[in-house]
Amino acid sequence: DGGITQSPKYLFRKEGQNVTLSCEQNLNHDAMYWYRQDPGQGLRLIYYSQIVNDFQKGDIAEGYSVSREKKESFPLTVTSAQKNPTAFYLCASSMMASGRRKQFFGPGTRLTVL
Amino acid sequence: AQKITQTQPGMFVQEKEAVTLDCTYDTSDQSYGLFWYKQPSSGEMIFLIYQGSYDEQNATEGRYSLNFQKARKSANLVISASQLGDSAMYFCAMRGALFGNEKLTFGTGTRLTIIP
Repeated sequence: DGGITQSPKYLFRKEGQNVTLSCEQNLNHDAMYWYRQDPGQGLRLIYYSQIVNDFQKGDIAEGYSVSREKKESFPLTVTSAQKNPTAFYLCASSMMASGRRKQFFGPGTRLTVL
Repeated sequence: AQKITQTQPGMFVQEKEAVTLDCTYDTSDQSYGLFWYKQPSSGEMIFLIYQGSYDEQNATEGRYSLNFQKARKSANLVISASQLGDSAMYFCAMRGALFGNEKLTFGTGTRLTIIP
């Protein structure tokens, strides 16, 4: 079955540590996205990528980094520079060519900083 | 800049009744897309319905319909004959106008609870 996988589901990190969240899709989608969700809030865009080896900052990119070496993969690194990283992180992807370009979402990773 | 406003933090609805979730938006783009997503307690975002700004008819997908009033900049979601499984967070979102710009701007959501 086609879809988006995110791992791990739960992640605990000590302050000062970098951590990488995985996102893989087998939908053959061109574009991939990372969102952050805080309790009681909507989603905010961190980074997005429309093609391999290219990505753009979203609204809250500070303290995060990404790479897009393969079409299927878009890992997100939460660095120690991110002041408040505890949140729910959602990865999404979409087909660029479709006129109704809905985004498909993964199951999410819940990151907690101890 | 785009902005989505959802003014109902929470709603309680009797099972089998219809429910309307409000969404207003602000954009200077002439062409845009509006989405509704459902987020159950598991956390995954589930696509429900899409409305393009130039679509002449309101979108419908099964029990979901979108009441699109362009002049008022509103895109309310209507769920007919609500079911217990409809209990979830619901988010309205907007996509920008530029080709290739797939960025979505989300509202803060409405928590819907269906009462048996």
